Amino acid sequence: GAGVSQSPSNKVTEKGKDVELRCDPISGHTALYWYRQSLGQGLEFLIYFQGNSAPDKSGLPSDRFSAERTGGSVSTLTIQRTQQEDSAVYLCASSPTTDANEKLFFGSGTQLSVL
Amino acid sequence: GENVEQHPSTLSVQEGDSAVIKCTYSDSASNYFPWYKQELGKGPQLIIDIRSNVGEKKDQRIAVTLNKTAKHFSLHITETQPEDSAVYFCAATYFNFNKFYFGSGTKLNVKP
Repeated sequence: GAGVSQSPSNKVTEKGKDVELRCDPISGHTALYWYRQSLGQGLEFLIYFQGNSAPDKSGLPSDRFSAERTGGSVSTLTIQRTQQEDSAVYLCASSPTTDANEKLFFGSGTQLSVL
Repeated sequence: GENVEQHPSTLSVQEGDSAVIKCTYSDSASNYFPWYKQELGKGPQLIIDIRSNVGEKKDQRIAVTLNKTAKHFSLHITETQPEDSAVYFCAATYFNFNKFYFGSGTKLNVKP
């Protein structure tokens, strides 16, 4: 079956513009995560969804970042007024249940470049 | 919160040699430790994991060891092959806490 799908795969934007990144998790997966991977860095947790609700938003770097999930499926990460330091690969992952010991299935990410 | 440190950041080995990547964690409550492999242009994929009630786990050429007392765990790859070349991430979390703390990654290069 299909894995986690992210779009676009690459996004180039100008500083100050808003961007939307989309994640289609594996069908039936309850949990959905967003991580950010900066060049040469590890995976930085951004936000986690359990169904449509986000119990943990502690990783969002600033109020310019927001995310939503609808229908327990597709999620959108929105970055407003982008800054150059927002340039990174944004990874989405889903897992079958909310058990923290579950395997994460990652998408290929969206490479965001802010000029 | 949890802090996971990973070493080395880069590792170059000859094909057929072994490779070892080490991680330490700070929160003694952590009880689940997965390892992910990220190939160029792809998302990370789980390759092996270990829970705190086990000291070692093997899967073919890959093994993971865990020392709860010292709060460190390691990934061992034997008989390395060029296709093992990738970035490897360790992570730690604990039951009912839906946040994985990842290490900074190790870029493994296996020279043919």
